[in-house]
Amino acid sequence: AQSVTQLGSHVSVSEGALVLLRCNYSSSVPPYLFWYVQYPNQGLQLLLKYTSAATLVKGINGFEAEFKKSETSFHLTKPSAHMSDAAEYFCAVSFYNQGGKLIFGQGTELSVKP
Amino acid sequence: DSGVTQTPKHLITATGQRVTLRCSPRSGDLSVYWYQQSLDQGLQFLIQYYNGEERAKGNILERFSAQQFPDLHSDLNLSSLELGDSALYFCASSVSGLGQETQYFGPGTRLLVL
Repeated sequence: AQSVTQLGSHVSVSEGALVLLRCNYSSSVPPYLFWYVQYPNQGLQLLLKYTSAATLVKGINGFEAEFKKSETSFHLTKPSAHMSDAAEYFCAVSFYNQGGKLIFGQGTELSVKP
Repeated sequence: DSGVTQTPKHLITATGQRVTLRCSPRSGDLSVYWYQQSLDQGLQFLIQYYNGEERAKGNILERFSAQQFPDLHSDLNLSSLELGDSALYFCASSVSGLGQETQYFGPGTRLLVL
């Protein structure tokens, strides 16, 4: 079955520290992979996506993610956390033969300490 | 602002009632998606329409139905409401409804069933 797993429902980092949010997927066909961010009381906003071009993808706000097929992973990183990065982050997957249906992970809430 | 609008923002109703949630996609987008976000189930795909036709279906309850009109707006109808239907309902839109496309999310409708 196709699924997405985000390791860690809560991650806390200090301002200026590395942010690493983990995402693994399960699929028998090549995936498209996405990271979305949700700020309190708002909708989801795309951070970045992988659609079978370069495996290292750069997104908005200094975030990037690397698609590793051998590890079925798409971890999200940012070298230096900012207070404004505090939000909930969702990894999602879709497939070429399923319309645009997104399958989401359970989400990781990122806290940034001053 | 994603360009996707949803009305109403908040809805409080009683068990057994029926409600309609409305979504207007971004200008130029032909595909509309509906998602449900709850603490129990996380973010779940409900249904996708493309240019008025159903394209993909998720775990949408039989009590729920949707449609997309010629002007491309979409309604999600929820009937015989139960307490467990309380959730945040998101609409998203994309250009052609394909798996690799970015989906733009609206701000959501928060439904509370009492």
